[in-house]
Amino acid sequence: AQTVTQSQPEMSVQEAETVTLSCTYDTSESDYYLFWYKQPPSRQMILVIRQEAYKQQNATENRFSVNFQKAAKSFSLKISDSQLGDAAMYFCAYRTAGAGSYQLTFGKGTKLSVIP
Amino acid sequence: DADVTQTPRNRITKTGKRIMLECSQTKGHDRMYWYRQDPGLGLRLIYYSFDVKDINKGEISDGYSVSRQAQAKFSLSLESAIPNQTALYFCATSEINPGLAGGTGELFFGEGSRLTVL
Repeated sequence: AQTVTQSQPEMSVQEAETVTLSCTYDTSESDYYLFWYKQPPSRQMILVIRQEAYKQQNATENRFSVNFQKAAKSFSLKISDSQLGDAAMYFCAYRTAGAGSYQLTFGKGTKLSVIP
Repeated sequence: DADVTQTPRNRITKTGKRIMLECSQTKGHDRMYWYRQDPGLGLRLIYYSFDVKDINKGEISDGYSVSRQAQAKFSLSLESAIPNQTALYFCATSEINPGLAGGTGELFFGEGSRLTVL
C-alpha cells in the first residue's frame, strides 16, 4: 500500500520569506500523480499544485513550486514571498495513475503559520 | 454556487442518533467519495462510488453506510452515532479516468461537514 509522510507537523515563516514543506511517499508504481492541497481556516480543500510522475520538469504555479525527486520519492512544496493568506494546513497526496485507480492517499498534514 | 455542496455544514448530535450527511455535485463527475478528517491523521477514505450501481468500502467504513441516489448525489449515514465519529467529513468528486483527456485524477472537494457526537 502506498503511504505518504509529512514529517513536519508545524512550520512557520516570516511574511515575504520562502518556506519549504516536505513530503515523502512510498510506492512500487512507476506512473502516478502527486498533489499539494491547502486547507485554510475556512476548511475548504484547495488544490495548490499537481505533478505527473512521468514529467521530469517540476510543476510551478505562481509563488508555489515543487521539487520532485522521483528516485528519492520526495515531493516538497516551496512557497516564495509568503503571504498572510498562505497560513493553512497543507496536505500532500498521492494517486496511482490508470483507469482503475480511485483513491488519493493523504499525508497527515503540515500546519503553516505566517508571521507578519 | 459551489460545484460540490455538502449539507449540513455543522451538526451536533447525541450518541445513538441516526445522522445523514448529503452531497450533491454539478461537475458531472461519475466518481464520488466520502473522506473523514481527524486532527493529526489527515484524510481517510470511508466509501467511494464509481457510478450509481457501484459502491465500495474504503479503509474506515465500519459504522458508516452510503447511498448513491443519482449520479450527482451521494449521501453518508451514521446509523447509530458514537463520540469517536466526531470529525470533519468531506465529499469529493473526480473524473472517471484520470489517464484520459488530460485528466490528473485530482479530487474536487465540498466545504466539509463538521459533525460532533456528544
